[in-house]
Amino acid sequence: QSVLTQPPSVSGAPGQRVTISCTGSSSNIGAIYDVHWYQQVPGTAPKLLIYGNSNRPSGVPDRFSGSKSGTSASLAISGLQAEDEADYYCQSYDNSLSVVFGGGTKVTVL
Amino acid sequence: QVQLQESGPGLVKPSETLSLTCTVSGDSISPYYWTWIRQPPGKGLEWIGYIYYSGSTNYNPSLKSRVTISVDTSKNQFSLKLSSLTTADTAVYYCARDRSYADGFDIWGQGTMVTVSS
Repeated sequence: QSVLTQPPSVSGAPGQRVTISCTGSSSNIGAIYDVHWYQQVPGTAPKLLIYGNSNRPSGVPDRFSGSKSGTSASLAISGLQAEDEADYYCQSYDNSLSVVFGGGTKVTVL
Repeated sequence: QVQLQESGPGLVKPSETLSLTCTVSGDSISPYYWTWIRQPPGKGLEWIGYIYYSGSTNYNPSLKSRVTISVDTSKNQFSLKLSSLTTADTAVYYCARDRSYADGFDIWGQGTMVTVSS
């Protein structure tokens, strides 16, 4: 069981907007620690998608956006494209500075 | 361009110790954090532990009794040892770079599949 809770799956039609939630607690997301998001296409290594709650690394399309509020964070994908079909993971830290992950969310483009 | 490459055996026996090495190319191993993460087949990501370039470590509490991570700055490498293996340790093992708590794991190795089986 993962420390951070994500929905197992979300889906949307091309062009739609989908959001993925990541729920933690006062000892991780709700503390001072940032949330990061990763995209993993099956068979490949995860790729950093959002860092520091809402920042995009160079090369990540601005269709991807992140936010954090209280003990939760969210990843939004607007203008959904077929190439966005992948697994998405949130990640933060807890008060012992251990790394914590969400269980992952599979995004399906209908 | 910074690249990470995992190396080690693909098959190990139960009760034995797994040894993996991650070689960093394109940048110095300092002043970053270096992490091991694994993913069992069909499952999510599990953090194993990290080491700072200076040698300080932090391990997943659930694995702490079996894990040792070390760094060799002269070779630009860091390594993982996981002892008392069981079939539950079968997974793809990734190494990754963490610039700071605010930056996420920005560079990943391609991953190496490790199967624990007799």
